[in-house]
Amino acid sequence: DIQMTQSPSSLSASVGDRVTITCRASQGISNDLAWYQQRPGKVPKLLIYGASTLQSGVPTRFSGSGSGTDFTLTISSLQPEDVATYYCQKYNRVPPFTFGPGTKVDIK
Amino acid sequence: EVQLVESGGGLVKPGGSLRLSCAASGFAFSLYNMNWVRQAPGKGLEWISYISSSNNIIYYADSVKGRFTLSRDNAKNSLFLQMDSLRAEDTAVYYCAREAHNFGYLKIDSWGQGTLVTVSS
Repeated sequence: DIQMTQSPSSLSASVGDRVTITCRASQGISNDLAWYQQRPGKVPKLLIYGASTLQSGVPTRFSGSGSGTDFTLTISSLQPEDVATYYCQKYNRVPPFTFGPGTKVDIK
Repeated sequence: EVQLVESGGGLVKPGGSLRLSCAASGFAFSLYNMNWVRQAPGKGLEWISYISSSNNIIYYADSVKGRFTLSRDNAKNSLFLQMDSLRAEDTAVYYCAREAHNFGYLKIDSWGQGTLVTVSS
């Protein structure tokens, strides 16, 4: 099975900072990667799919890039409402549809 | 508006069984593939099962294979997860989640609020 890793596991940044989270697949997964945001006590929310396509309604400060095994989620200007845990997920027609372990983002 | 409402969670003893349901509304349920994802307390997300729209393709994570059974009733817009031989490590919030696709890419675009399953003696 393909394993998904994320780094860092947590980070603390100031409002307005640029934040980058990395997700790595143990084997190539083309662009079959999604990113989710889970605010404390809330349900996960889709941010990005196809590695770089912004889900409708998601603020444009969020962006995704990468292909194959290495992917990034970038928040161009961190806002207080972005405090959350962010997960990547391999999602295609080949199970399992593994999530990364998550990256917790806090405000400094 | 897409709505997914899970039910059936609760406290169960190790080795016991529980049946979760997910009631879907606001979209053509029979046209969508569906998933269950769980989250143990304070832990990350774990995908556990997938079922195709027509009920003919079902996948399970290794952690639940042979113990959990996923099914759906398209006439009743409902998804079911039969959980047998439950273990303490199955304790989690269980989310029903809808698959969608755009531009050839797949995604989970809608989630229910979740139902808590606690396995404890």
